Amino acid sequence: QVQVVESGGGLVKPGGSLRLACAASGFTFSDYYMSWIRQAPGKGLEWVSYISTTSIYTNYADSVEGRFIISRDNAKNSLYLQMNSLRVEDTAVYYCARDLTGPGSFWGQGTLVTVSS
Amino acid sequence: QSVLTQPPSASGTPGQRVTLSCSGSSSNIGSNTVNWYQQLPGTAPKLLIYTNDQRPSGVPDRFSGSKSGTSASLAISGLQSEDEADYYCAAWDDSLNAYVFGTGTKVTVL
Repeated sequence: QVQVVESGGGLVKPGGSLRLACAASGFTFSDYYMSWIRQAPGKGLEWVSYISTTSIYTNYADSVEGRFIISRDNAKNSLYLQMNSLRVEDTAVYYCARDLTGPGSFWGQGTLVTVSS
Repeated sequence: QSVLTQPPSASGTPGQRVTLSCSGSSSNIGSNTVNWYQQLPGTAPKLLIYTNDQRPSGVPDRFSGSKSGTSASLAISGLQSEDEADYYCAAWDDSLNAYVFGTGTKVTVL
């Protein structure tokens, strides 16, 4: 069955870095755009970034542009989010999603990132 | 501050019809399609409606979406207790060059 499982979250100090990973299985990973979405504690959803099937196209929310980098390895069925210069306001559950806006949409259960001194 | 505005809460009794609104502008809803997501308590969101009014496989036909101008709506007919959740609208915004979510509406079944 379709699965996307996030990992790599944890506690990091402001200014630090973290790399999130999303392991996909049960479908042809290379056929789908992939996205990262986050949700601060008790708050709404915020789109973070997306990447096209062959990594040609990427896009970022203004709030993370220049600090976060999305990437994928189709041979490993994996999506990544390199997060640098982390801020307190980056604290959130980070979700990995397949096909965010289409009928094939599928979200993982998320990984919590806490930025605190 | 989201560019898509939703009422913070809505409620109804079992069997009732509830309609949720989503207000945007010409740069988002006015020029792009709208999607709706459902987030049950303690779980990850899932896509409920895509391209304004299409349901992914497995979504009951009690859920329906529509769009008019710069606003969109999600209707839940025959409200059930398991529909208690947060609902978010979303659309691409051409001015922001970003995918934007609405502020979210919490639906309570009385």
